[in-house]
Order: sequence, then structure tokens, then C-alpha cells
Amino acid sequence: EAQVTQNPRYLITVTGKKLTVTCSQNMNHEYMSWYRQDPGLGLRQIYYSMNVEVTDKGDVPEGYKVSRKEKRNFPLILESPSPNQTSLYFCASSPTGLAGVGEQFFGPGTRLTVL
Amino acid sequence: AQTVTQSQPEMSVQEAETVTLSCTYDTSENNYYLFWYKQPPSRQMILVIRQEAYKQQNATENRFSVNFQKAAKSFSLKISDSQLGDTAMYFCAFMPDYGGATNKLIFGTGTLLAVQP
Repeated sequence: EAQVTQNPRYLITVTGKKLTVTCSQNMNHEYMSWYRQDPGLGLRQIYYSMNVEVTDKGDVPEGYKVSRKEKRNFPLILESPSPNQTSLYFCASSPTGLAGVGEQFFGPGTRLTVL
Repeated sequence: AQTVTQSQPEMSVQEAETVTLSCTYDTSENNYYLFWYKQPPSRQMILVIRQEAYKQQNATENRFSVNFQKAAKSFSLKISDSQLGDTAMYFCAFMPDYGGATNKLIFGTGTLLAVQP
């Protein structure tokens, strides 16, 4: 089954404790992206990657890191989480080029709470 | 900057009735794509419908249709014969067409739709 998976689905942590949210897709997509969803703000892009070893900042990159060492994986790293990073996080993927200008496939979301 | 505006934070409709969710956007681009995504209580993001800006014909997917007014930069979603399973948050989204150079989606703030029995 074609899908984007994220782990963990729920996470409660404390300020300053480094964490990683994993994202993996099995569709051989070049493009992957992270969004955060907050009430009243919709979804905002954090980082994106057009292919392996190619990453770039989105609209709200402060406090986050990403890496793209393999095509299928795109982890989101919070080196020192703070309470304002409490949010719902989505990973998404799609092909690039004309085939990708269409539906993005979203993961199930990760609910993160930073105390 | 490109922005997407959904001016209705919440809406309610009776089962079997028709409801229209509004969306406006701002861009200087001529080529782009517009989407409506549904987010039910499960939080999964589900694509409802997509519209290419170069197409004059409004997109339709079963009970879902759009009214795309390019000059007015308006992209409303009409849900006909509303069902209880349509209860969800609905997001309007915009993607500029840079030939695949970036697939960034720009989202509105969402409209929470409640279908009443």
C-alpha cells in the first residue's frame, strides 16, 4: 500500500530534550515536506526537500532541522524543543516535475506536546 | 506574498442539504493549482478536489464541486447532499506552478463544517 508513515503519532516531552520525528514514504517520491498545524493558522511549511541531500527552509524553520540521506526518509529534528513548538506535525511527499504538481500524500500526523 | 483566506471559521448544514465554503487567494502568478483538503476527526489530510488555473471548467468530484473565478481569485467548494461523514475541517490550498521546482502548498486557516442529522 502506498503510504507516508510518521512516528511517533503522539509525543509528550519536556523543554530542551532533543527529539526526532521520523517520516518515511514508499512511493519513490523525490519531494518531501514538513508542515505544522496550529489552530487559526492552518498548515505552515517548516522545511522541504526536492531530493536526496537537497533541503531548504519553508515559512517557519526556526527551531527545527531536517536531513535527507535517503530518498524514502525525511526526519524532523527538534534539538531543543520549546513549548511554542507544541503542535500537530504532518509529513507529505509527492513526485517532482509535472507529475508532482498535484496531490501531495500526507502522513497521519504527529501530535507533539512540549511541557 | 501569496496568501489564502477562508473567512468562515465554522459552518453548519443539515444532512442532505447543500453548503458552500468560500476561499479567496492572492497571487501575481498566472499558473497555479488550487485544492480543497478535508481533515476529519482522525486528522488525516484527504484531497477532496483539485483545479488547474489554466482550465476554465470547474472541477467536480461526485458530490463536491468548485466555483473557480480566476479574475476574482475565488475558489469556493460546494458540497451537495451533505452527509454526516462530511463533518470535518476543510482547508483551501494554493500551489504556484513553477514547473515542479517546488511543490509548496499554501493553506488557508480552515473552515470547520458540522453536518447536523
